[in-house]
Amino acid sequence: GAGVSQSPRYKVTKRGQDVALRCDPISGHVSLYWYRQALGQGPEFLTYFNYEAQQDKSGLPNDRFSAERPEGSISTLTIQRTEQRDSAMYRCASSPPNMYEQYFGPGTRLTVT
Amino acid sequence: DQQVKQNSPSLSVQEGRISILNCDYTNSMFDYFLWYKKYPAEGPTFLISISSIKDKNEDGRFTVFLNKSAKHLSLHIVPSQPGDSAVYFCAASEGGTSGSRLTFGEGTQLTVNP
Repeated sequence: GAGVSQSPRYKVTKRGQDVALRCDPISGHVSLYWYRQALGQGPEFLTYFNYEAQQDKSGLPNDRFSAERPEGSISTLTIQRTEQRDSAMYRCASSPPNMYEQYFGPGTRLTVT
Repeated sequence: DQQVKQNSPSLSVQEGRISILNCDYTNSMFDYFLWYKKYPAEGPTFLISISSIKDKNEDGRFTVFLNKSAKHLSLHIVPSQPGDSAVYFCAASEGGTSGSRLTFGEGTQLTVNP
């Protein structure tokens, strides 16, 4: 079946612009996670959802970052007033009910110029 | 603070030999551990996992060992194949199968030479 998909795969934006990153999880996966990965590092947790409920947003770096999953399927991570330090790979993952294993998408490479 | 650490940024082994990748953690609340493999331009792919109630889990050529008292786990690949060349990430969860964040190490680049 189809895996986790993310769009766009690459995004270049100017400092101060807002960006929206999209994640389409594997069908039937209840939990959806957002991570950010810097070069040479492992993914770092941002936030996660069970169904449409945002369960934990403690990893969001500041209030310019927000996420939603209104219908319990597709999720959008929004970064307002982007800054150069926001440049990174943004990864989405989903997991089936009652499972620890998370399945990752290919990521969105965000570059803020 | 880095709760999950992979102290070796890279490892090079010969085809057919054993690859051993190591991971240390500090958070005693972690109760489930996973290894992911990542090829360039792809997302991390789940490889193998182990619950804290076990000390070993085996799946084909891959075995994960957990030493809770030392807060250490390792991934053994035997025999290593060139297609195993990738970045390997260790990850840990504090539990709750209803959803739980993963804490990742920095990754180890494994190169298997033919």
